[in-house]
Amino acid sequence: GESVGLHLPTLSVQEGDNSIINCAYSNSASDYFIWYKQESGKGPQFIIDIRSNMDKRQGQRVTVLLNKTVKHLSLQIAATQPGDSAVYFCAENDAGNNRKLIWGLGTSLAVNP
Amino acid sequence: DGGITQSPKYLFRKEGQNVTLSCEQNLNHDAMYWYRQDPGQGLRLIYYSQIVNDFQKGDIAEGYSVSREKKESFPLTVTSAQKNPTAFYLCASSIAWAGSPLHFGNGTRLTVT
Repeated sequence: GESVGLHLPTLSVQEGDNSIINCAYSNSASDYFIWYKQESGKGPQFIIDIRSNMDKRQGQRVTVLLNKTVKHLSLQIAATQPGDSAVYFCAENDAGNNRKLIWGLGTSLAVNP
Repeated sequence: DGGITQSPKYLFRKEGQNVTLSCEQNLNHDAMYWYRQDPGQGLRLIYYSQIVNDFQKGDIAEGYSVSREKKESFPLTVTSAQKNPTAFYLCASSIAWAGSPLHFGNGTRLTVT
């Protein structure tokens, strides 16, 4: 399953499928990007980050891809599990605004058993 | 275990009263942050502190105040001047101001009636 964070805020996938959550970032000068997972009633949990000198970074079952040409960031989750159900946020360091983090609105991922 | 502790988890106040939310970290992080999260929205920055004894206003500082007298503590006061204080408040810390992931507490849900 695939989503565009701002235009399709809910992504529903079957357990075991791969998930792709997309994020269009705003500032071409941003040089650091982060993905967070937030479960209901809890604080956001860091998943993975990537710097602008990289195109891809892998973690455990997750991969982040950065396309600077079109200012696009994606989070791929392999073999999605029910425990992956949450809201996922991307964030970028705004190099032109004292490097504050700019947060996306989030994408809700629902995993169907 | 190292982490960020926010207390209390739920807080109820009457309109017109000031209330202080606690945030403590034992990660030895220099930077600390307060965010506000409203239903279905992303995170909005209230105040941040890059180092002890220093703090700056974020994007929605009106009606809030903070102090950073100790490295491990960053309390947030929601004053009666805040027009819409009911929200989920998140505290975070990071090793440095930019280019490093934020670690979040589990939030305080404030309800003002």
